[in-house]
Amino acid sequence: TAGITQAPTSQILAAGRSMTLRCTQDMRHNAMYWYRQDLGLGLRLIHYSNTAGTTGKGEVPDGYSVSRANTDDFPLTLASAVPSQTSVYFCASSASGGASDTQYFGPGTRLTVL
Amino acid sequence: GQNIDQPTEMTATEGAIVQINCTYQTSGFNGLFWYQQHAGEAPTFLSYNVLDGLEEKGRFSSFLSRSKGYSYLLLKELQMKDSASYLCAVRDSNYQLIWGAGTKLIIKP
Repeated sequence: TAGITQAPTSQILAAGRSMTLRCTQDMRHNAMYWYRQDLGLGLRLIHYSNTAGTTGKGEVPDGYSVSRANTDDFPLTLASAVPSQTSVYFCASSASGGASDTQYFGPGTRLTVL
Repeated sequence: GQNIDQPTEMTATEGAIVQINCTYQTSGFNGLFWYQQHAGEAPTFLSYNVLDGLEEKGRFSSFLSRSKGYSYLLLKELQMKDSASYLCAVRDSNYQLIWGAGTKLIIKP
């Protein structure tokens, strides 16, 4: 079982360009999440989706958008990248989003915005 | 505001025991998670506590005191492969995970 896959593994992007980070899970999990991880800070939630067709804003949603057209895929789009969006981006999924629900993480995408 | 505090870095010796502390102040509490993250890799789940007390899982144990807003992760019989960052996260009243910055554990031979 692949679990969660993310693409690309890494990317260098010019400021002002747009980009979509891809995330696919094969565990039939209902909930999916996008985090960014920056040195010295905890993982910060960007957007989440509790089930296909619904999305919600996390702690740091500005400059990012998501869609959840089906259960498996949860792409993250940067409409016009800025250098402060340089980070490692992790996609995660969980069965239901309940209290004891464990989140499983993809391998991450390292994004550099110049 | 919500806050999770962990030491930034700890050093321990192979074969020894180390305790990594986590204190939290969050809006609501629906459980506390510990994750392990090796450098350049994704976080992986270690433990979940929702009731006070100690949960033991092999060489790793996790303790929770809700009244004190405090947890610790205890690692026994340390191995070199335990060198990693350990992340504490609390599920708040909105069922979102609030993450600490992580504790980098360095194991020396």
